[in-house]
Amino acid sequence: GQNIDQPTEMTATEGAIVQINCTYQTSGFNGLFWYQQHAGEAPTFLSYNVLDGLEEKGRFSSFLSRSKGYSYLLLKELQMKDSASYLCAVRSPANNDYKLSFGAGTTVTVRA
Amino acid sequence: DTGVSQNPRHKITKRGQNVTFRCDPISEHNRLYWYRQTLGQGPEFLTYFQNEAQLEKSRLLSDRFSAERPKGSFSTLEIQRTEQGDSAMYLCASSPRDRVNEQYFGPGTRLTVT
Repeated sequence: GQNIDQPTEMTATEGAIVQINCTYQTSGFNGLFWYQQHAGEAPTFLSYNVLDGLEEKGRFSSFLSRSKGYSYLLLKELQMKDSASYLCAVRSPANNDYKLSFGAGTTVTVRA
Repeated sequence: DTGVSQNPRHKITKRGQNVTFRCDPISEHNRLYWYRQTLGQGPEFLTYFQNEAQLEKSRLLSDRFSAERPKGSFSTLEIQRTEQGDSAMYLCASSPRDRVNEQYFGPGTRLTVT
């Protein structure tokens, strides 16, 4: 089975930095994904890590440690539009499929 | 790309009725996924197609649920004899042959069973 944990809520100030942690225990591992989901909208892809280390994409960075079953998403220079739910998802190799197992999501609220 | 589209966007039905949802993936995306999302939770995998072949079904997909992708393009998800517990957002996603790591989600169909 899959067990993916992330905090329920986080609040930060505009212009600040927020780090969203995700820990996972899965049967096999073939990549970790972060998605952003605004209320009432579809999830949108942010990042993908399959090897240990940091992947940087503009204001967003994602880190992975496979030995620790741990990832984080770092949001820098927060903007009001970054208020959303951030979903951590893991892909496990099975039957050559690419389904994702998602955590419950972390709701980030950016305040002025 | 026009994106993944889903219809209808909202559906209200009475318990016991059958409903059918449609998903049109991004053109030439060969993989198509159905997920279900309830309030405050992440999406849960339901089923997955590669072209027209349904390769995996979750245990969440009871025998009241059936999905098809007859020509390897659009897909339909049917729920028979709906129950109140079926109320959720049903999300469809697709991914291209050469970038299987990327799943593009549609806007979802919100089902309310009264």
